[in-house]
Parts: sequence; structure tokens; C-alpha cells
Amino acid sequence: EDKVVQSPLSLVVHEGDTVTLNCSYEVTNFRSLLWYKQEKKAPTFLFMLTSSGIEKKSGRLSSILDKKELFSILNITATQTGDSAIYLCAVTSGTYKYIFGTGTRLKVLA
Amino acid sequence: DVKVTQSSRYLVKRTGEKVFLECVQDMDHENMFWYRQDPGLGLRLIYFSYDVKMKEKGDIPEGYSVSREKKERFSLILESASTNQTSMYLCASSLDIASALFFGSGTQLSVL
Repeated sequence: EDKVVQSPLSLVVHEGDTVTLNCSYEVTNFRSLLWYKQEKKAPTFLFMLTSSGIEKKSGRLSSILDKKELFSILNITATQTGDSAIYLCAVTSGTYKYIFGTGTRLKVLA
Repeated sequence: DVKVTQSSRYLVKRTGEKVFLECVQDMDHENMFWYRQDPGLGLRLIYFSYDVKMKEKGDIPEGYSVSREKKERFSLILESASTNQTSMYLCASSLDIASALFFGSGTQLSVL
């Protein structure tokens, strides 16, 4: 059965810390891996990864995919209270289904 | 920017009522989806559509139906609302089967 596992489930850090969120997957016919940030409402798209070893970067956020070991990491440097959210990872597998992990809840304290 | 618009942010309905949730996307995306999100259960797919008038059941279609008469619009219908359908409903669209999903702002439905 296809699955996506995220770790840790939750994380509390102080402003300025660097965090690493993990996403591992088991899917047949992998196509892409997606990261989302969800605050109070709907998930907002962060990154899409399809190739191993190529870092995607946006400001203080970056992400990389390892297709051999079947995982991805999302890094957030110099965290701010506005980074507090649930971070979701999803994988596509050549069908219409997006397989989501249950998310990592990040809380950044001032 | 991709825009996915859901018609209501909050909705309160009574048990047995018929409920319509509307979703419109403006990016000419082929695929549209309806999810529900509940604490501890994550995102669960109700239905999706890959073309006008085409629909496929997701993981939890019971008690729901959908309609896609135009490419940009995807409606979710609760034929007879029940309290266990109280949830956050999220509409999403994507260009193709490996592309990013873009979500609407969600509808928090309460069934009393």
C-alpha cells in the first residue's frame, strides 16, 4: 500500500532556530513530491520535487529529494513565529491520487 | 496566480438538508478534487474529476455526490446531511496527475 510518513509529528522551537522536517515514502511509480504549509485554513503550495539531489529554495525554506532512499527534507532556517504551521508532504504516483502524510506541526516561540 | 474559490467559508446546516458546496478555478486545470480534513485523520479524498462530466470516487465517497458540468466548476453535494459530515471541506485543482495541487480556502461545514 502506498504511504507517506512524516516526522516528527510535532516540534517546538525558538525564533532563530533551524528546523529539519522529514518525509519518507513508499509508492509505486513515483512521479513527484510536494510540500505544503497549512496555517488556519487551506494548504499553500511550497515546493514540488521530481529529481534527486536538486535543492529547491525559497527565502529561508529549502527542500531536497533523495529518490534512492525514498525521502525528502524541508529545512527552515532562522525560524520566525510566522513559520508556525502544519507542514504537509504529498507524493504523486501516476494516478489521480495524491498521497498525503499526516503532517508535522511546528510551533515557533518568540 | 492560480485561484481556487470556494463559495462559503462557514456553513451551518441541519440534519437531513441537502447541501451544495461550490468550487471554481481560473487556471484551466484538467483535474479537480474534493477533500475533507478532520483532526487526527488528515486529508481524505472524497471525489475527483479529470474532465468535464467525468468523476471518480475517492476514499470516502459515501454520502456525497459531485457534478462537473463546466471545466472550471466542481460541486460537492451532500444529499442528506448528517452530523458525521461536520468537517472542513477543501477543493483543489491541478494541471495534470504529477503537478502541484492548489487548494481553495476551505469551507467549514457544521451539521446540527
